[in-house]
Amino acid sequence: DIVLTQSPTTLSVTPGETVSLSCRASHSIGTNLHWYQQKTNESPRLLIKYASQSISGIPSRFSASGSGTDFTLNINNVEFDDVSSYFCQQTQSWPRTFGGGTKLELK
Amino acid sequence: QVQLQQSGAELAKPGSSVKISCKASGYTFTSYDISWIKQTTGQGLEYIGYINTGSGGTYYNEKFKGKATLTVDKSSSTAFMQLSSLTPEDTAVYYCARGIRGTGWFAYWGQGTLVTVSS
Repeated sequence: DIVLTQSPTTLSVTPGETVSLSCRASHSIGTNLHWYQQKTNESPRLLIKYASQSISGIPSRFSASGSGTDFTLNINNVEFDDVSSYFCQQTQSWPRTFGGGTKLELK
Repeated sequence: QVQLQQSGAELAKPGSSVKISCKASGYTFTSYDISWIKQTTGQGLEYIGYINTGSGGTYYNEKFKGKATLTVDKSSSTAFMQLSSLTPEDTAVYYCARGIRGTGWFAYWGQGTLVTVSS
């Protein structure tokens, strides 16, 4: 199975900051990497598909990049509403796998 | 609008089975696969498998073979997942999610069903 390692596990930031979350794959997955946001007691929400493709309705402060094994989710001008866990998922191979998540907290 | 409505929380005893439902609305049910994902605090998100809602064909993550059984009822636009021989390790929130055939990412998720296994 492809292992996705997310870092950091927890990130504490000040509103207005720009942050970068990392997702590293154990094998090359091209751009078959997707990002989700999950708020407490809610279902995950798709933020980005295929490493960098934006999703309708998602604020433009969310962007992402990467290919192969290294991927990054960027959040510009972090807002209080961004307090969530963020997960990456690969669809290069079966079974689909998810990263362990990064929890974003505000200072 | 697309909605996936899951059945309510379950409390089950070790060794028993539960069957969770996921009722779809707002789109043509048989045009999209339904996947199931397990979420625990310790293991994060785990992909269980998916069902082709048109053909009934299934894929199971090796880890969940023998544990999960996926079925559909096209007449009611509902997907089901039965979990058998339950152990405390099956305690989790289970999500259904809609995937575009052949892609594997999920734009729509159910609200989740909490399954608690306890004697």
